[in-house]
Amino acid sequence: ILNVEQSPQSLHVQEGDSTNFTCSFPSSNFYALHWYRWETAKSPEALFVMTLNGDEKKKGRISATLNTKEGYSYLYIKGSQPEDSATYLCASGDTGGFKTIFGAGTRLFVKA
Amino acid sequence: GAVVSQHPSRVICKSGTSVKIECRSLDFQATTMFWYRQFPKKSLMLMATSNEGSKATYEQGVEKDKFLINHASLTLSTLTVTSAHPEDSSFYICSAREWDRGSYNEQFFGPGTRLTVL
Repeated sequence: ILNVEQSPQSLHVQEGDSTNFTCSFPSSNFYALHWYRWETAKSPEALFVMTLNGDEKKKGRISATLNTKEGYSYLYIKGSQPEDSATYLCASGDTGGFKTIFGAGTRLFVKA
Repeated sequence: GAVVSQHPSRVICKSGTSVKIECRSLDFQATTMFWYRQFPKKSLMLMATSNEGSKATYEQGVEKDKFLINHASLTLSTLTVTSAHPEDSSFYICSAREWDRGSYNEQFFGPGTRLTVL
C-alpha cells in the first residue's frame, strides 16, 4: 500500500511571494506522479504528470520536479497571485496496476 | 476536453434514506470510473473502481451493500448510498479514465458531492 505525504498542510503567503510544497511517496514500484490543482467547488485540474527521475515540468509560473530514487516531488509557484489560491494535490501510481494514491493536499492561500 | 460532471453537488437527507450520486463523462468514453471519499483534511480515499459493464471492485473496508456502484454505460456511473446514516456524511468525488486519453493513467475528476445525513 502506497502512502503519499504532502507538506505543509496549509500555507499563507503574500501576493508576489514564491513558494514551494513537498510530496513524498514510496520509491519502490513507482510508475507516475501527478499534481492536481483543486479550487473550491470545482473539479481537480491536472497540472503535471511525471515519470522519470529528474523530470522537470513547467506551466507558466508553476513548475515541478521529481526524484524517484528518494521518493519526493516539489511544486514551485513563482510570484504567487490570489488566483493561485487552491489545494494542490499530488498522487502516485505504482507499476502494479491502475491504482493511484493521493496525498491530503497543501492548501495555499495568497493574500493580495 | 475530458470533462466530468457530478450531480448533485450537495445533498441533505434524513437518516435511513438512500441517495444516488451520478458521475458523467461529457466528451469522452470512460472505460474506468473511480469513486473516492474525502474526510476533512484527509486524502482522497479510493472506495471502488468500476469498469463499464462489470461489477465494481471495492477497496478493503468499503461495504459493497452500503455503497452500490453501477457503471452501466461508457458515460455514466452511479453511487448509491443505501440507508444513509450520519457517519456517511462526507465529500464524495468521482473520476474517469479513458483507455487512450491522457497519460500514465491520468484521471479526470468531477466536482464532487457533499452529502449530509441528518
